[in-house]
Amino acid sequence: EAQVTQNPRYLITVTGKKLTVTCSQNMNHEYMSWYRQDPGLGLRQIYYSMNVEVTDKGDVPEGYKVSRKEKRNFPLILESPSPNQTSLYFCASSLIASSTDTQYFGPGTRLTVL
Amino acid sequence: AQKITQTQPGMFVQEKEAVTLDCTYDTSDQSYGLFWYKQPSSGEMIFLIYQGSYDEQNATEGRYSLNFQKARKSANLVISASQLGDSAMYFCAMRDNTGGFKTIFGAGTRLFVKA
Repeated sequence: EAQVTQNPRYLITVTGKKLTVTCSQNMNHEYMSWYRQDPGLGLRQIYYSMNVEVTDKGDVPEGYKVSRKEKRNFPLILESPSPNQTSLYFCASSLIASSTDTQYFGPGTRLTVL
Repeated sequence: AQKITQTQPGMFVQEKEAVTLDCTYDTSDQSYGLFWYKQPSSGEMIFLIYQGSYDEQNATEGRYSLNFQKARKSANLVISASQLGDSAMYFCAMRDNTGGFKTIFGAGTRLFVKA
């Protein structure tokens, strides 16, 4: 089944404890991105990647890192999480970087930072 | 500047009736894509339907259709024969050639289907 997977789905952690949210897609998509969704602020892009080893900042990159060593994986790293990073996170992918290509979303990761 | 506007925070519809969710957009690009996503209470973001800026026909996918009026910059979603399972948050979204090809989203419309 074609899909985007994320792990973990739920995570409660404490301030400063490094964590990684994994994202993987099995559709051979070139373009991958991370979004966070917050009440009243909607969905905002954190980072995106147009292909392997090509990543760039989105609208809210502060406090996050990403890497794209393989086409299928695009992990999101929080080196020192803070409470303001409590959010619902989505990984998404599309076949190519194109305005007319659909982004497919993973199931989401609910992160709480205490 | 890119912008998506959904002016209906909440909508009610009777089961088996049709409902229209409004969406207007703004972009200076000639090539762009318009999308609708459904977010049920479980939280996942489900793709429903796509309309390309150069498509002359309105898109349809089962009970979903997109009423695309390019001159008015509107892309309304029509759900026919509403079902209880359609109760969810619906997001209109757009992707153009700016900002790293990100998808930008409207604020969403919460749809309630009444039995």
